[in-house]
Amino acid sequence: EAEVAQSPRYKITEKSQAVAFWCDPISGHATLYWYRQILGQGPELLVQFQDESVVDDSQLPKDRFSAERLKGVDSTLKIQPAELGDSAMYLCASSLRAGDSKNIQYFGAGTRLSVL
Amino acid sequence: QKEVEQNSGPLSVPEGAIASLNCTYSDRGSQSFFWYRQYSGKSPELIMFIYSNGDKEDGRFTAQLNKASQYVSLLIRDSQPSDSATYLCAVKSSGGSNYKLTFGKGTLLTVNP
Repeated sequence: EAEVAQSPRYKITEKSQAVAFWCDPISGHATLYWYRQILGQGPELLVQFQDESVVDDSQLPKDRFSAERLKGVDSTLKIQPAELGDSAMYLCASSLRAGDSKNIQYFGAGTRLSVL
Repeated sequence: QKEVEQNSGPLSVPEGAIASLNCTYSDRGSQSFFWYRQYSGKSPELIMFIYSNGDKEDGRFTAQLNKASQYVSLLIRDSQPSDSATYLCAVKSSGGSNYKLTFGKGTLLTVNP
């Protein structure tokens, strides 16, 4: 069964360091999402790509976070510098296309980030 | 601000009972509704989706949607200890040409043997 691949699964870093997360969506899925989930909360959308273009990054803290999906397939989310409040689960999801209300999103296993 | 509200729980039910999970949403233009299950430390897993008013059944799970009341629920029949998890309600609304998924905080369900 096709899956969304994410790496690393766990990341421990010190405050002010740079971290990067990678995601490979399900083959054929044009839309890719990065979410952040703080313990006890639901996932919150950080950025959404349609192919290689950003369609929503309204909740992305652009002073320290960046995301790219250069060839419209896999994607990287970067944080520089990391802050204590960035400790969370970072989830990647993909779907066939965004412009369909019945579009289903499938999640990867996530990356658990701890900032010390 | 489009909101999705869920009781955080914990909701505790005995094995074999019916668990009822509820969700309300603020945006009347919401198009589709999803229930995800999330085990501790794991990622969300889709278990049900519903688009039209009424009930939708899949095995032990039934999703119920009432758009007039802006209410969606999930019933789990014959609850098993393996159903113990956090259940996330997610609502998809239109934001121009793009549909955005908004999640509630989740309800923690515990099924006691």
